[in-house]
Amino acid sequence: AQSVTQPDIHITVSEGASLELRCNYSYGATPYLFWYVQSPGQGLQLLLKYFSGDTLVQGIKGFEAEFKRSQSSFNLRKPSVHWSDAAEYFCAVVPGDTGGFKTIFGAGTRLFVKA
Amino acid sequence: EAGVTQFPSHSVIEKGQTVTLRCDPISGHDNLYWYRRVMGKEIKFLLHFVKESKQDESGMPNNRFLAERTGGTYSTLKVQPAELEDSGVYFCASSQRRYGLANNEQFFGPGTRLTVL
Repeated sequence: AQSVTQPDIHITVSEGASLELRCNYSYGATPYLFWYVQSPGQGLQLLLKYFSGDTLVQGIKGFEAEFKRSQSSFNLRKPSVHWSDAAEYFCAVVPGDTGGFKTIFGAGTRLFVKA
Repeated sequence: EAGVTQFPSHSVIEKGQTVTLRCDPISGHDNLYWYRRVMGKEIKFLLHFVKESKQDESGMPNNRFLAERTGGTYSTLKVQPAELEDSGVYFCASSQRRYGLANNEQFFGPGTRLTVL
C-alpha cells in the first residue's frame, strides 16, 4: 500500500538556522509529491509540488524540496528559518493514474523556532 | 477567485447528536474530496466525488457517515449519531477535471473542527 513517512514528529531550530524536513514515500512508480504547511488555526497551504522534470523544486516562503528517486525521498529545505515558519508541515503524495487521485499524507512534522 | 470554503469552522456537539458539515468547492471544480485528521494522527482520505457521483468512498469509517453532493456543487458530510472518536478536523478539497494531473491539484479548505463531548 502507498504510504508516506515523516520520521520526525517535531523539530526545533534556532531562528536563522537552516532546516531540513525528511519525507519518504512508498510507491512503485513516481507519484506526485507535495508539501503543505498548517499554521495554528489555519487551513492547509501548499508550499510546493513535484510532478516531473527538474528534481529540485522551489516553493513559496523560500522553501525548496528535492526529489530523489533512488531514495524515494522528497525532503523539504529552507536555508534560513524565520520565527513565522513555526507550524506543522505535511508531506503528501497523490499516486495518480491507476493508483488513484486521493492524497496520502504523512503524519506531519511540527516545527518549533527558538529565538 | 474564491477558494474552498467550509462551514462551520467549529462545531461542538454531544455524543449521539447529529452534525452536518458543508463544503463549497472552487467554482467549476468537478472533483471534491473529504479528509479528516483525528486527534493528532495523520490526515486520512474519506471519499471522492466526481460531480455528484461517489468515485471512491473507501475511506468512510462506517455507516454513521453520509456524504452527499446534490447537483455536483457543494457537498455535505453528516455524522449521525456522533461518537467521541469522531472528534477531529474535517478537510474538504477540490480539483478540476481529471485530464492531466497538473490540472488535478487539490485545493484545500480551512477545515471544520468537530468536538464530540
